[in-house]
Order: sequence, then structure tokens, then C-alpha cells
Amino acid sequence: AQSVSQHNHHVILSEAASLELGCNYSYGGTVNLFWYVQYPGQHLQLLLKYFSGDPLVKGIKGFEAEFIKSKFSFNLRKPSVQWSDTAEYFCAVKGSSASKIIFGSGTRLSIRP
Amino acid sequence: DAGITQSPRHKVTETGTPVTLRCHQTENHRYMYWYRQDPGHGLRLIHYSYGVKDTDKGEVSDGYSVSRSKTEDFLLTLESATSSQTSVYFCAIGGDRANYGYTFGSGTRLTVV
Repeated sequence: AQSVSQHNHHVILSEAASLELGCNYSYGGTVNLFWYVQYPGQHLQLLLKYFSGDPLVKGIKGFEAEFIKSKFSFNLRKPSVQWSDTAEYFCAVKGSSASKIIFGSGTRLSIRP
Repeated sequence: DAGITQSPRHKVTETGTPVTLRCHQTENHRYMYWYRQDPGHGLRLIHYSYGVKDTDKGEVSDGYSVSRSKTEDFLLTLESATSSQTSVYFCAIGGDRANYGYTFGSGTRLTVV
């Protein structure tokens, strides 16, 4: 069965700090991987996705993620965060032959101005 | 996103009453999903549909039923609402096209009193 673990429940950073949010998944086959962002009071929006090819994926707003197959990881990174990045971030995995995406429990990111 | 709408946006209902939430899409996706979002639990899949009249259970399906009589609409019914079903409900479409993630609706905030 698919599962996703996000180990950091709440991360607090100052503006301009670098960000890395951890995501590990469990699935015994080829996967599609996603990061979604949810700004306060809003719905989930796709930040970036990995289907195949270059394991370093660039998304919107300066975010990127690296798929490391040997570690079953898909960590999200941003070199310099802004106050507007305050949001909740969800990692998700879908087996390439599966019909549904499974989400992690989310990481709340708070940025101090 | 414009291609998926949920109604109502907010609802307060009494314990024991039936409630129906509607998800409407204009993107012609075969797959539609209902999730609930609760603090500390991320998004949990309630039910999903892979075609007209074709539905299946997710991980938290007890107390919920769904119907899909046409491609555009996916209805979620709480047969007899309980306080534990107070949550934010999100509909999503996607997962049936190559290199496509999910698109989420704006959510329905349901309070059961």
C-alpha cells in the first residue's frame, strides 16, 4: 500500500532562511510525486510534480524538489523563503498504475518577518 | 480553479440530519475524489469515482455515500451527520491523464452541531 510521511509538523523560519521539508514515501513500484501548498483559508494548489526524467524538479515561486529513488524521498527546497511562503505544504504520492493520490499529514511553515 | 466548483461553501447542520455536498467539473475528467481535511490528519480520502456510476471507498468512508449519475457531478452524502464529521471537505479531479496531478475545489466547511 502507498503511504507518505512528512516528519516535520511545524517549521518556523526567518525571512531569507533556506528551507527543506522532508517527504518519504512507501510504494513498491514506479511513482508519481507531488508537492501541494495550501495558503491560509484557501484550497490546495500544485507546487510541483515529478513523473519521470530529471529527478530535480523546479516548481512555481522558486521551489524545487529532488527525487532520490534509493531513499524513497522527495524533499522540497527553497533557497530563501519569504513571509508570503507561510502556508501548509503537503507531499503526495501516486503509484503510476494506481488511481488515487495519497497525501502526507502536512507541514505547517511559519515565516517570521 | 475555474474547472471545478463545490457547493455549498459553508454549511451548519444539526446532528442526525442528512447532508449532501456537490462537486461540479467542466474538465471532463473521468476520476473525481472527495477528501476531508482535519488538523493533524492532512487529507484523507473518503470516496472516489472512476466513471459514471463507478465509485469506490477510500480510507474513511464510514457514514458517507456518493453518487455519480453524470460525468460532471459527484455528490457526497452524509447519511446522518455526526459531530465527528465537522470538517472541511475538498473535491478533486484528475489522475486519469498522463503527467497530470489533481486540481482541487475551494472546499466546503461543514459544521455539525
